[in-house]
Parts: sequence; structure tokens; C-alpha cells
Amino acid sequence: AQSVTQLGSHVSVSEGALVLLRCNYSSSVPPYLFWYVQYPNQGLQLLLKYTTGATLVKGINGFEAEFKKSETSFHLTKPSAHMSDAAEYFCAVSDGGYQKVTFGTGTKLQVIP
Amino acid sequence: DAGVIQSPRHEVTEMGQEVTLRCKPISGHNSLFWYRQTMMRGLELLIYFNNNVPIDDSGMPEDRFSAKMPNASFSTLKIQPSEPRDSAVYFCASSSRTGISYNEQFFGPGTRLTVL
Repeated sequence: AQSVTQLGSHVSVSEGALVLLRCNYSSSVPPYLFWYVQYPNQGLQLLLKYTTGATLVKGINGFEAEFKKSETSFHLTKPSAHMSDAAEYFCAVSDGGYQKVTFGTGTKLQVIP
Repeated sequence: DAGVIQSPRHEVTEMGQEVTLRCKPISGHNSLFWYRQTMMRGLELLIYFNNNVPIDDSGMPEDRFSAKMPNASFSTLKIQPSEPRDSAVYFCASSSRTGISYNEQFFGPGTRLTVL
């Protein structure tokens, strides 16, 4: 079975500050890991993904995440928050079977001017 | 590609009425997922299909909910009879295991259902 835990349902940062959204996963096989972003009244869209290879993954809008197997973590970071980053972020894990993806409960990011 | 298409985008109905939500996945994708999102329960997987066959419907709340995928380009989620607690945003997503997609799911814009 696979699962995802996102620490913090709400995170607030000042504009220009570091963004850090935490995600820990559980998987019985080498996982595929994803971060999705959801803007208000929209569907989820892929921010970045880890499959194999380099453990530091870069995504859109300046976000990146690092896969740490020893810590079973896949935290999302961005050096400098922008107002447009305000959204809800979902971490997700897949074990590859039938392409099913298990989503975390989401973290709402607020960016304070 | 037009992406995942869902219709209608908004649906307002009265308790007891039948509701049908529709989804057209991305051409070539072989898996399709129905999700429900509410403030209280977050994002829930209801059912998913692989090659038009239902694989896991354990997330379907009760017998009032049913889903079909008659062909690779169309799926429906039906609620009969609808209840106010079914009010939510329903998302359809599709994915393909071919190439390097690695199970990335592409989401539609969602259908916002309100049951009065």
C-alpha cells in the first residue's frame, strides 16, 4: 500500500521568502512522486515529478523538490515566493500499478505581501 | 490536444433528481479516474478504469453512484437519486503508461455540482 502525508494544511510565507512544503510518503516499491498545484476554481496541474535518476527535480514556476529515500521525503521548495504562488499544493505517490496515484490532503499556501 | 474535457462545468439540481457527469479523456490515454473534492473530505478517488474496465470502485460512496466507460473516449458518472451531501466538485483525470509519462495524471476542469 502507498500513502502520503503532508505536514501543515496551511502555510503562510511573505512575498520573497523561501517556500517549503513538506511531504513524506510510504511505498512498498520504488515510488513515482509528484507535486500538483490547484489554483482556485481549477483542476490540478502537474508541477513536477520524480521517476528515476536525479533526485533533485525542477518543475515549473521555479519550484523544485528533492527525493530523499532515507527520509522517505519529497519536500517542495521555491527560493522566493511570489503572490501568484498562492494556491493549494498536493503531493502524490504512485507505485506504477494501473497508474493509480494516491494524493495527500493538500497544503494551502498563502503569500503575504 | 484539448486536454481532458468535462461537462457540464456547473450543475444545479434538486434532491432526488438524476445527475450525469461526462468526461472525455485525452486521446491515447488508457486510464481514467473520477475524483470528488469537498472542503470537508478533500480529494477522494471514486473509481478508476484501465482500458475501459473498472479496476477499483471502492471509493464510490454508495449504490446511488455508478460509472461507465463504454469506449476509450468517453465516461460517465451518474448519481441517482442525488442528495445535498453529494454537492462537490467532481474531477475526471486520465493518464497513460506509454512513453515517459510515468503515471502522470491530467485533470479536467471539474464539474461543480450543487444539489438543493
